[in-house]
Amino acid sequence: AQSVTQPDIHITVSEGASLELRCNYSYGATPYLFWYVQSPGQGLQLLLKYFSGDTLVQGIKGFEAEFKRSQSSFNLRKPSVHWSDAAEYFCAAEGGKLIFGQGTELSVKP
Amino acid sequence: DTEVTQTPKHLVMGMTNKKSLKCEQHMGHRAMYWYKQKAKKPPELMFVYSYEKLSINESVPSRFSPECPNSSLLNLHLHALQPEDSALYLCASSQQGTLSEAFFGQGTRLTVV
Repeated sequence: AQSVTQPDIHITVSEGASLELRCNYSYGATPYLFWYVQSPGQGLQLLLKYFSGDTLVQGIKGFEAEFKRSQSSFNLRKPSVHWSDAAEYFCAAEGGKLIFGQGTELSVKP
Repeated sequence: DTEVTQTPKHLVMGMTNKKSLKCEQHMGHRAMYWYKQKAKKPPELMFVYSYEKLSINESVPSRFSPECPNSSLLNLHLHALQPEDSALYLCASSQQGTLSEAFFGQGTRLTVV
């Protein structure tokens, strides 16, 4: 069955520290991959997407993600986290319909 | 214009009420979606409209009735809801349905009393 897994339910990082959020997918073929961010009570904003080509994709707000076919992973990174990055992050895959991971809640310590 | 607009932002309704959620986009997208999201959970797909026709119904109870009057508008009609239907309802659109990125609205926070 198609699935997206985010192993970390909650992550806390210090402001200015680097960040990596993990995402693994299970699909028959490589799906289209996305990272969305959601602030409390708000809709989802697309951070970045991977369709094909360069495996390192740049997104908005200083985020990037790396697609690794051998590991079925699409991890999200940011070199220096800001307090405003605190939110829920969803990895999603599109292979016929959009399927979301369970989400990772990011807290930022001052 | 890259926005998906949802109204109302908040809605409180009784279990015998009839209400509607509205969604609008002017990006020329031909696929529109309804998702339901409970607290601390990912969005769950409810319905997909492709070229104004219902293409996916994820076994949603009949008390939820979608409607797509035209390519820019999507409604969700609500009737005889239960308290457990309280959630954030998100509308989304994409250019051509599958294999394209989805743009989400800000959602309608629904409370059933």
